[in-house]
Formats: sequence, structure tokens, C-alpha cells
Amino acid sequence: GNSVTQMEGPVTLSEEAFLTINCTYTATGYPSLFWYVQYPGEGLQLLLKATKADDKGSNKGFEATYRKETTSFHLEKGSVQVSDSAVYFCALRELKAAGNKLTFGGGTRVLVKP
Amino acid sequence: GAGVSQSPSNKVTEKGKDVELRCDPISGHTALYWYRQSLGQGLEFLIYFQGNSAPDKSGLPSDRFSAERTGGSVSTLTIQRTQQEDSAVYLCASSWGQGNPKETQYFGPGTRLLVL
Repeated sequence: GNSVTQMEGPVTLSEEAFLTINCTYTATGYPSLFWYVQYPGEGLQLLLKATKADDKGSNKGFEATYRKETTSFHLEKGSVQVSDSAVYFCALRELKAAGNKLTFGGGTRVLVKP
Repeated sequence: GAGVSQSPSNKVTEKGKDVELRCDPISGHTALYWYRQSLGQGLEFLIYFQGNSAPDKSGLPSDRFSAERTGGSVSTLTIQRTQQEDSAVYLCASSWGQGNPKETQYFGPGTRLLVL
């Protein structure tokens, strides 16, 4: 079956530091890949997505590249801010035949200190 | 426009009681999903509705859990004879329902359920 593995947190950083959150996946087909973010007290929001190999998703200074050869979708940001403190979830979704559900990783809590 | 809304935002119940959680999807979205977010299990899929098709119930953890979607819009998730392990945040999401894995699911704020 499908699965997503992401690095466990919490990850604590200083403002303006470089952030990487590793994500690898297992899928039977060719999934679309997503990063969702959950800010304190808020619901899940889509951060970025990539739908085929070598695509790069980007938003709010975050980037992630769909790497089929390493089955990875690592999230990066060059200079984090305190407002980036949140829980980040990597997820995948496959074709309808395999179900339309999102399969999530366990989430990585990121804390950015001023 | 309005996003996905869920009610109640918080629910405290006693073990053995039944609870109903409500989800109002984004207008026009034909696909609706329920997920559960708990400390031990992370985010897990529960059930999926697409238009008038039979729902995908493959994620429901037991027969105490059921859901319905009336008129292709509002959905209710019912948990019968609640147990303490049912305590979690229940998330609803909706999407246009094109059956395309690229499309985005939009999540509601969740209902936090605590079973005492």
C-alpha cells in the first residue's frame, strides 16, 4: 500500500536559518505529492504540490521537488521566520482506481525562535 | 467565498454516548472526505463521498463509525457508543471531484472530540 515517511520533529531553528524537512514515499503508481501546513489553532492548508516527476512546487518561499528516482519530496526554505512555526505534513494522492484519499506522513513540528 | 465549515468546533462526551459531527463543504464541490487526526495515529483517512456514487468506507475503523451525505452537500459523521480511543480531531475536506489526483482538497477547521 501507499505510505509517506517524514522526519520526526520537533525541529527548532533560529530566525533566518535554512529549513529542510525530509519526506519519502512508497506508492504503487504515479502519485501527486503535497505539503500541507497546520498553523497553531488553524486547520490544514495546502502549502504546495507537484504532480509529476521533476516538478517543483513553490509557495511562500518554500520549495519541494518531486524526485521519482529517490521517491522523495523534501521541503526547503532558505530563511525561515517566526511565522513559519507550524506542523508540516507531507502527503500523496494516487489515481482514482487506488482511491482518492490523501495518505499523510506523521507531521513535523517546526518551531522558529526569534 | 466560504470555506469548509465544521460543527461543533469542540465536543466533550461520555464514554458510550453517540455523537454527530457535521461538515459543510465548499459550494459546488462534489467530493467530500473525512479524516481523523490523533496523537497515536497521525492523520488517517476515514471515508470519501463522490457525487452519487457509493462512498469509499475503507478507512472507517469500526462499525461504530458511519457517515452520510444528504443532497450531495452536507455530511454527518456519526460515532456510536464512543470510546476513549475515539478522542481526536475530525477533519472534513472537499474538492471539485474531478477524480484527478492533482486537485486540491480544502480542509475545514476540524471538530475536536474528547471522550471521557
